[in-house]
Amino acid sequence: DSGVTQTPKHLITATGQRVTLRCSPRSGDLSVYWYQQSLDQGLQFLIQYYNGEERAKGNILERFSAQQFPDLHSELNLSSLELGDSALYFCASSVDGSSYNEQFFGPGTRLTVL
Amino acid sequence: KNQVEQSPQSLIILEGKNCTLQCNYTVSPFSNLRWYKQDTGRGPVSLTIMTFSENTKSNGRYTATLDADTKQSSLHITASQLSDSASYICVVGGDSWGKLQFGAGTQVVVTP
Repeated sequence: DSGVTQTPKHLITATGQRVTLRCSPRSGDLSVYWYQQSLDQGLQFLIQYYNGEERAKGNILERFSAQQFPDLHSELNLSSLELGDSALYFCASSVDGSSYNEQFFGPGTRLTVL
Repeated sequence: KNQVEQSPQSLIILEGKNCTLQCNYTVSPFSNLRWYKQDTGRGPVSLTIMTFSENTKSNGRYTATLDADTKQSSLHITASQLSDSASYICVVGGDSWGKLQFGAGTQVVVTP
């Protein structure tokens, strides 16, 4: 158990809908990352937050948005969902967001868009 | 083009045997290289992290090497066990902030 929690574990929805994925980092970690892993694809970095502020952006679509709240939990919002958005979404956390620090991954949320 | 290339894409090995996975990267600037193990449907788990000044690091039966001059790394698994069946992902850190470049992974299957 990495100490990072993600909810829900599974999510099934229809095209065009909007969903919110939630992540709670390890106790004491200030930085949160979101990743997407499609079937048979490598992990794709989406976005990073540090202490409530956006720090780095990767291949995140405009239909996706995220935020980190004062209690440090984070939410990833996916809207106007398409079939291709079906994937595993991972959240990771680290102490301070430095590239040298280890990132601890949560168990993931499996999103299925029908 | 992916800046982190892994080979082979997959391999099957007999329980008890050794194997070596390769990673070549072009990420620059380079700050560190990590190997992760990912079981199917689960989050990756860190095996090793190396900075440019380190050329080998071990974690139990896993030994990673790094040649920062040639931008190559390898992960050696000794005396493989059935539980080693997983995807092994090479990850390179370049920025000062934690944006990492991920390889596509090598799928390892250990058979009895």
